Amino acid sequence: DADVTQTPRNRITKTGKRIMLECSQTKGHDRMYWYRQDPGLGLRLIYYSFDVKDINKGEISDGYSVSRQAQAKFSLSLESAIPNQTALYFCATSDARGPPNTQYFGPGTRLTVL
Amino acid sequence: QKEVEQDPGPLSVPEGAIVSLNCTYSNSAFQYFMWYRQYSRKGPELLMYTYSSGNKEDGRFTAQVDKSSKYISLFIRDSQPSDSATYLCAMRPQGGSEKLVFGKGTKLTVNP
Repeated sequence: DADVTQTPRNRITKTGKRIMLECSQTKGHDRMYWYRQDPGLGLRLIYYSFDVKDINKGEISDGYSVSRQAQAKFSLSLESAIPNQTALYFCATSDARGPPNTQYFGPGTRLTVL
Repeated sequence: QKEVEQDPGPLSVPEGAIVSLNCTYSNSAFQYFMWYRQYSRKGPELLMYTYSSGNKEDGRFTAQVDKSSKYISLFIRDSQPSDSATYLCAMRPQGGSEKLVFGKGTKLTVNP
């Protein structure tokens, strides 16, 4: 089984709908991240969490919210989806006690907002 | 100016070629430099990281950092079709959070 899983893997939705992307990890890592990847723009950090009670905004948090339900679960919500949120979304984890700078990425969720 | 600049390519080379991938950056506080590899329809995976200036070698891969020029490189020797992927550079300052700043990625195809 994959260490970092994301659900759903693909989602098509309409403008204005609320969407939740979920991430689960079995690596026992304390740190979790949400990125989006767009052609020509690369990976950009949306939110990150260093433990259950710690949530921080990243580079592009507007229009997104997150919830760290447990150490192993980190969800990303789009309260009212808009077309320019169409992108590939990645969850990642890292271990504060592990090799530095090593983030482990999930397989991604391809989101299309019509 | 973007903090990290990376030529998106695409780059196409024959099998066995030496590949050079590069990034430039503007933030002199960056101390950790990483290369991630991303296969199609997969998440990125860490390939190598270096701290400050110098070289690091791992098999067919060599990472170089030139802090005076704010320039980092990844060399792939004897490239293989299995090296076909998008390569992303990433970097961050020492200390503080582990927020990484990524380049846009360079798409590499190694032709058999």
